Amino acid sequence: GAVVSQHPSRVICKSGTSVKIECRSLDFQATTMFWYRQFPKKSLMLMATSNEGSKATYEQGVEKDKFLINHASLTLSTLTVTSAHPEDSSFYICSAAQCPTCEAFFGQGTRLTVV
Amino acid sequence: AQTVTQSQPEMSVQEAETVTLSCTYDTSESDYYLFWYKQPPSRQMILVIRQEAYKQQNATENRFSVNFQKAAKSFSLKISDSQLGDAAMYFCAYRSASTDKLIFGTGTRLQVFP
Repeated sequence: GAVVSQHPSRVICKSGTSVKIECRSLDFQATTMFWYRQFPKKSLMLMATSNEGSKATYEQGVEKDKFLINHASLTLSTLTVTSAHPEDSSFYICSAAQCPTCEAFFGQGTRLTVV
Repeated sequence: AQTVTQSQPEMSVQEAETVTLSCTYDTSESDYYLFWYKQPPSRQMILVIRQEAYKQQNATENRFSVNFQKAAKSFSLKISDSQLGDAAMYFCAYRSASTDKLIFGTGTRLQVFP
């Protein structure tokens, strides 16, 4: 199957700083990528849909100014957690849809810890 | 809105035995896809099996098969000849044919005992 690479796999940052997470589709072009958040022992919660060349679509309750998403090319989407707080600590996962079947392929995830 | 329900938070099975994980969903759409994903301790999401709603035949992938009951909106996963490596979280997911968004169930943690 297609490969989606997410970087970094782990990051620790101080409260108040920003951190960027990258999601790349390595062997296919993805017009649409998705960002999820997963709390311990919980399911994946969709945060936003990232569309190449246009603004991201955020799910209800997700602060777009806090979680900035940029999908500048067909192979790269970034999620920036701005002014991070300890409650932003979580596991973040991206996925990319490979059409025409629009099968979803997932990155390895990023463990964010805000201290 | 579509919802996906997994009523079994945890399941366990003996190695080489068969286990069935349950999933129900709610939708008013007629064209959609259903998936089972596996999330091992590494937390990498892995597609196990996929079912198109328009297909009556149940999908099968080696030791994994589904029982898709469209009228009942049920989509269970059967794992045959369970192996230690099958131990993981299993998520049932729904995707409308008109959108790329996946809606996940709450997951079932599967333990496999030797």
